[in-house]
Amino acid sequence: QQQVKQSPQSLIVQKGGISIINCAYENTAFDYFPWYQQFPGKGPALLIAIRPDVSEKKEGRFTISFNKSAKQFSLHIMDSQPGDSATYFCAARAAGNKLTFGGGTRVLVKP
Amino acid sequence: GAGVSQSPSNKVTEKGKDVELRCDPISGHTALYWYRQRLGQGLEFLIYFQGNSAPDKSGLPSDRFSAERTGESVSTLTIQRTQQEDSAVYLCASRLAGGTDTQYFGPGTRLTVL
Repeated sequence: QQQVKQSPQSLIVQKGGISIINCAYENTAFDYFPWYQQFPGKGPALLIAIRPDVSEKKEGRFTISFNKSAKQFSLHIMDSQPGDSATYFCAARAAGNKLTFGGGTRVLVKP
Repeated sequence: GAGVSQSPSNKVTEKGKDVELRCDPISGHTALYWYRQRLGQGLEFLIYFQGNSAPDKSGLPSDRFSAERTGESVSTLTIQRTQQEDSAVYLCASRLAGGTDTQYFGPGTRLTVL
């Protein structure tokens, strides 16, 4: 059972544009929602994270929007840059600090 | 300081052979995780160690998979009688326990089973 569904699978955006990635979850016991960025050949690195008692969190050009009632959250990358080209994973944490990951979104920012 | 390291970075093996993958967590991190990442897919949880507690093995896909951790240091993931479907990148992550959330990932070991 896929507990975290992520869309789209891939995304192409022009430099300076906005990249939007969406995730939906089913398990209401999830209490922490991180986003990870992964470059080819590297392990994922934490980008930004949110808890369900907050509806939005912004760090620089990256913003998470969280809708608890809809069980959805999204990542917005403002002013996208070629260096943002990577695969992005949403995740959700349940008991034991185990993370359940979405399937990933490959983002390509064209110069 | 040093991050999470994994070895080998690449491993090619023949079907039916056993393999051992190693993870060195960040010093002082008491929590350690193993994940599997198949090509083009998200990460699947395999096993979780927290201090001296019994490990959470709920993600191990079969009894061919096992993992050990010595105290709060090195961990090894062993896959016995490897199958072609075991081909994936195996990622290790560690976390400083005590209320912190962030898992820090190593670069992974790419396993190819011929």
